[in-house]
Amino acid sequence: AQSVSQHNHHVILSEAASLELGCNYSYGGTVNLFWYVQYPGQHLQLLLKYFSGDPLVKGIKGFEAEFIKSKFSFNLRKPSVQWSDTAEYFCAVRLNQAGTALIFGKGTTLSVSS
Amino acid sequence: DGGITQSPKYLFRKEGQNVTLSCEQNLNHDAMYWYRQDPGQGLRLIYYSQIVNDFQKGDIAEGYSVSREKKESFPLTVTSAQKNPTAFYLCASSIDRGYHEQYFGPGTRLTVT
Repeated sequence: AQSVSQHNHHVILSEAASLELGCNYSYGGTVNLFWYVQYPGQHLQLLLKYFSGDPLVKGIKGFEAEFIKSKFSFNLRKPSVQWSDTAEYFCAVRLNQAGTALIFGKGTTLSVSS
Repeated sequence: DGGITQSPKYLFRKEGQNVTLSCEQNLNHDAMYWYRQDPGQGLRLIYYSQIVNDFQKGDIAEGYSVSREKKESFPLTVTSAQKNPTAFYLCASSIDRGYHEQYFGPGTRLTVT
C-alpha cells in the first residue's frame, strides 16, 4: 500500500534557525504533493502544493519545498523560523488518478522558542 | 464567508451510543471527505464522496457510516461498533474528483466514555 513517511516526529528550534522537514512517499507513478499546517487551535490549512512543472515550489509564510522524483521526496524548508511557526506539519500525497483521496504522513510537531 | 462548518466542536457520548457528526460546506464543492486524527497517527481517511448519493470507504471505515443526500452536507455516524471512537474528526472538501487541494473544517473532538 502507498504510504507517506515524515522522519521527524518533533523538531525543536530557536528563532532564526533554518528548518527542513523530511517527507518521503512510496509510489512509483505520478503524484500530487502537499504540505499542510495546523497551528494550535486552528484549521488545517494548505502551505504549498506541487502538481507539475518547477520542482521547487514556494508557499505561504516563506516556506518552500523541493520535489525530488528520484528520491521520492518532498522536503519542506524555511531559511529562518519564527515563534509563530510553532505548529504541526503534515505532508500529503495524492496519487495522480482521478478520484483518489490524500494520503497523509503522521505529522511533525515544530516547536520554536523565542 | 465560504467554508466548511463542523458542529459541535466538542461532543461527549456514552459507550454503546451512535453519534452523528455534522459537516456542511458552502463552497459548492463536489467532493467531501472524513478523516480521523489521533496523536502521532496523522490523518486517516474514513470515507469520501465524490458526488451526491455516492461514497467510498477509506482506510478505516469499519464502525462508521455516512450519507450524501445533498451536495453541501456529508454527515458521519460513529456507531457502537467502532472500537476506539474517541478522536478528533476532520471534514474536508475539494472542488471535484480531479487534481485539487482539500479544504478542511475546524474539526469535532469526540469523547466516548
